Amino acid sequence: QVQLQESGPGLVKSSQTLSLTCSVSGGSINRGRYYWSWLRQPAGKELEWIGRIYTSGTTIYNPSLESRVTISLDTSKNKISLTLSSATAADTAVYYCARLVDVKLFDCWGQGTPVTVSS
Amino acid sequence: QSALTQPASVSGSPGQSITISCTGTSSDVGAYNYVSWYQHHPGKAPKLMIYAVTNRPSDISNRFSGSKSGNTASLTISGLQAEDEADYYCTSYTGINPYYVFGPGTKVTVL
Repeated sequence: QVQLQESGPGLVKSSQTLSLTCSVSGGSINRGRYYWSWLRQPAGKELEWIGRIYTSGTTIYNPSLESRVTISLDTSKNKISLTLSSATAADTAVYYCARLVDVKLFDCWGQGTPVTVSS
Repeated sequence: QSALTQPASVSGSPGQSITISCTGTSSDVGAYNYVSWYQHHPGKAPKLMIYAVTNRPSDISNRFSGSKSGNTASLTISGLQAEDEADYYCTSYTGINPYYVFGPGTKVTVL
């Protein structure tokens, strides 16, 4: 059974780059027709999809974040990375990674990691 | 894109049935049969309960069922149990970037 675990700094200074990692166990990230996604949920607000990456490395990002976000795969470590540049307080949220099946279904999630952007 | 609409809370007694609604638009819920429901206990990973409107993963109890009418999808929990107490989120595929829209979540309380 595939399991996902997010990790990274819980506190990021404003204007700096937020960097998170999603470690995947129980399956290889470069096998199967899976995409890997990052999402986030600010306190009291809806989940927001950040972007996705296919096993080939092809990425698609939410237009609202596209200029600042990069998602990448490290197949040697079976990890997915997220970087978000020029962080502001609006980026404070719980960040989740999730596996995406056939583009339409998030079937497996990590437990999320909280990130606070402070000035 | 606007978020999906869900009631903030729903409650029921053990053994009862409850239904959670998820209202979108003709561009998301109404356009695609790709509505999913997730159960979330705070601090834990969200768990897929229903996908493609009505389908249940093999490890999910048949007490959970999904349906859709027009722009509104619904999750019904039958035979409510204490362990069902959690937050429930709906999501829909939208077909255009950003490709996914989410509801704010519904807190289910077992009285």
